[in-house]
Amino acid sequence: EPEVTQTPSHQVTQMGQEVILRCVPISNHLYFYWYRQILGQKVEFLVSFYNNEISEKSEIFDDQFSVERPDGSNFTLKIRSTKLEDSAMYFCASKYQETQYFGPGTRLLVL
Amino acid sequence: AQSVTQLDSHVSVSEGTPVLLRCNYSSSYSPSLFWYVQHPNKGLQLLLKYTSAATLVKGINGFEAEFKKSETSFHLTKPSAHMSDAAEYFCVVSDQLTGGGNKLTFGTGTQLKVEL
Repeated sequence: EPEVTQTPSHQVTQMGQEVILRCVPISNHLYFYWYRQILGQKVEFLVSFYNNEISEKSEIFDDQFSVERPDGSNFTLKIRSTKLEDSAMYFCASKYQETQYFGPGTRLLVL
Repeated sequence: AQSVTQLDSHVSVSEGTPVLLRCNYSSSYSPSLFWYVQHPNKGLQLLLKYTSAATLVKGINGFEAEFKKSETSFHLTKPSAHMSDAAEYFCVVSDQLTGGGNKLTFGTGTQLKVEL
């Protein structure tokens, strides 16, 4: 059964550094998403992406964040200058027929 | 606007006894509702979904949920708990907006503990 994959599984970075989180959505899906879950808190929507553009974004998704689909398979989340509060589990998802399928997540730790 | 309230942050049951995880939702539109499960250090796995078809929805691992519009509820049940059911469960709502991204709004989660 096809799955959403994410790399890396864990990322440690220094505050102020740029990070890129990578996702490979399921191949025939057209909508893509990023969510995050800060430790001990609920999962929060960051951004949705369709037809090579952002369709919706949350208040969290400020100018430090960007998303890109650089080729036919990858979907990336870039954080330009990481802050301590960006430490979280980041989940990618892709959607088919109203159902979003999640990847295993990337745990980001900002020191 | 859409929101979800999970009424219990922790539920503890004995193996072999029924499970009930409660969820109430609020939505301005005709919602889709989901239950996802997260095992420790794992991703989010879809258990079941309601998308305006049958109100009683059956999912994986013996779980089911009933959509009750009059009560704005979507409670998750299982007749007999198994040790492997111990995990965190999220009730999730999505407005079915045409042309929209249909973002998911998660509840705060219910930690299910299963004891011998």
